[in-house]
Amino acid sequence: KAGVTQTPRYLIKTRGQQVTLSCSPISGHRSVSWYQQTPGQGLQFLFEYFSETQRNKGNFPGRFSGRQFSNSRSEMNVSTLELGDSALYLCASSSPGTGWYEQYFGPGTRLTVT
Amino acid sequence: DAKTTQPNSMESNEEEPVHLPCNHSTISGTDYIHWYRQLPSQGPEYVIHGLTSNVNNRMASLAIAEDRKSSTLILHRATLRDAAVYYCILRAPIDSGGSNYKLTFGKGTLLTVNP
Repeated sequence: KAGVTQTPRYLIKTRGQQVTLSCSPISGHRSVSWYQQTPGQGLQFLFEYFSETQRNKGNFPGRFSGRQFSNSRSEMNVSTLELGDSALYLCASSSPGTGWYEQYFGPGTRLTVT
Repeated sequence: DAKTTQPNSMESNEEEPVHLPCNHSTISGTDYIHWYRQLPSQGPEYVIHGLTSNVNNRMASLAIAEDRKSSTLILHRATLRDAAVYYCILRAPIDSGGSNYKLTFGKGTLLTVNP
């Protein structure tokens, strides 16, 4: 079974621009969570989608948004990029098949804002 | 969210057992204890989880204190491939169904394995 895939793997953007990142969960997984990882703050939860609905949200500004499609693929968008948004963005999927206990992470998208 | 406390770093020798401690004195009765690890340049990887009883799987063992205020992840024979940051996380359910939850990661323990 294919793992969680994220595209693109690397991205360079300029301050003020917007960016869209994509995540394809493991087949059959309906929950997708997004995390931001920086050296200073570590791994921080952004939001989680289940059946196209946002169920949980972390403490990030409204510039960070996401959505989930009917095939469970998810996108996250960051508008008006700031230098501090440079980070590794990880998505993870999970399924009731494993009792929701395991989250499977993708390799991440490395975003650099200049 | 209940917090966990882990040592910043630990060192081990290859083929020796490793005991990674985690303190979670404010754990609630419904919190599961999860362990993930993150190898260099990869996303986190699920290792093991438990609620009250000790747990074993092909990767590791989880020993949970009787009062649940601490736990220990045990790697029985460390290999070079086990060098990673290990995260101890309390999984608090957001709703009574238990399927709606989020993981709150701390700083983790950087495990170095010496050949």
